[in-house]
Amino acid sequence: GAVVSQHPSWVICKSGTSVKIECRSLDFQATTMFWYRQFPKQSLMLMATSNEGSKATYEQGVEKDKFLINHASLTLSTLTVTSAHPEDSSFYICSATAGSSGANVLTFGAGSRLTVL
Amino acid sequence: AQKITQTQPGMFVQEKEAVTLDCTYDTSDPSYGLFWYKQPSSGEMIFLIYQGSYDQQNATEGRYSLNFQKARKSANLVISASQLGDSAMYFCAMREGRGAQKLVFGQGTRLTINP
Repeated sequence: GAVVSQHPSWVICKSGTSVKIECRSLDFQATTMFWYRQFPKQSLMLMATSNEGSKATYEQGVEKDKFLINHASLTLSTLTVTSAHPEDSSFYICSATAGSSGANVLTFGAGSRLTVL
Repeated sequence: AQKITQTQPGMFVQEKEAVTLDCTYDTSDPSYGLFWYKQPSSGEMIFLIYQGSYDQQNATEGRYSLNFQKARKSANLVISASQLGDSAMYFCAMREGRGAQKLVFGQGTRLTINP
């Protein structure tokens, strides 16, 4: 089945530094990838939709200059949290789709837990 | 307005019993899809079951079934013969529009199975 790999699975960084999270589709080409954020005991909130070769579409309230998304190839999307602060500490999850319709074409990565000190 | 509503923050069920997790949705689009995901403490999102808005029959996947009541806009998940490993967060999600891909999630229900 479709597999999405996310790296790193957890990261601790100092306030003010930038952190990059990678999302890779291992056995299919992902025309679209989605980045979600999940705070403790809360639901997943969509941050942005990433389309290969074009600019990401950000949801309302998500700062595009703070959360840089790059989808340079059909198998890789990256999320960079720039100048991270403690309030950015969260669980970030990506999902990917090959673009066809259907039931379970959205495959999720295992998530990346970011802690900003 | 909330697109997906899960009114049960937590559920406690005895092992081997059946459990129903509630989900209601709000959309004016005639074409939509409803999903249930399980999220154990490790954080991964595990797909359980899908129901399309035009599907005539309720979806079933092993011990999981979806009680789809279109007029009431509800899509409850039924887990039969619950097991200790079913303890997790459960999220209902919706995808609106033909060809759309992004999912909107409900608040989730934490299910605890007691031995």
